[in-house]
Amino acid sequence: DAKTTQPPSMDCAEGRAANLPCNHSTISGNEYVYWYRQIHSQGPQYIIHGLKNNETNEMASLIITEDRKSSTLILPHATLRDTAVYYCIVGQGDKIIFGKGTRLHILP
Amino acid sequence: ETGVTQTPRHLVMGMTNKKSLKCEQHLGHNAMYWYKQSAKKPLELMFVYNFKEQTENNSVPSRFSPECPNSSHLFLHLHTLQPEDSALYLCASSRSSGGRGDTQYFGPGTRLTVL
Repeated sequence: DAKTTQPPSMDCAEGRAANLPCNHSTISGNEYVYWYRQIHSQGPQYIIHGLKNNETNEMASLIITEDRKSSTLILPHATLRDTAVYYCIVGQGDKIIFGKGTRLHILP
Repeated sequence: ETGVTQTPRHLVMGMTNKKSLKCEQHLGHNAMYWYKQSAKKPLELMFVYNFKEQTENNSVPSRFSPECPNSSHLFLHLHTLQPEDSALYLCASSRSSGGRGDTQYFGPGTRLTVL
């Protein structure tokens, strides 16, 4: 079973920041937090991952709480092309289990 | 474009047919994966190969037979499938299997329909 809990769906206005929450209260010390997204019927796309520190790349920012029991993916300026299912996963490299994710709708 | 290609993109086959799915990665990775995604279900890991050796078989029925001739190519041979095997089959690769913090890069998938 997936070790994360995400809301099933969220809406965000185009141009605003999308903040996607994830709970992972049973994460172990050597497990990373990964975020992927899947646009309809395509392969999942890697977004970002982190262990303890906050991370930022050209796509998004990842904020991990100090106790590592939850995290937030931030898409700073959402566009219609960001409409997708977003998966928060904890694991190590090959040991990742996908859950049901959050379906993010970007509203024009 | 992730550097992982899959062919064919769509496949329709009868239950008595034999077909193969192909995956190729151009990323210099050493680990490759097969996943199955059925309608309205999460992705399910099927097989993991690391340096051409199978390291994980997630209780997959024997009608699915993987083959990894080298680190860049992965095949999934299909025979006597059932209609419930209709799904999106995804291939992924990563630097190595078991590497902490390694990320997986996915191909576009093969949409399989079994009649």
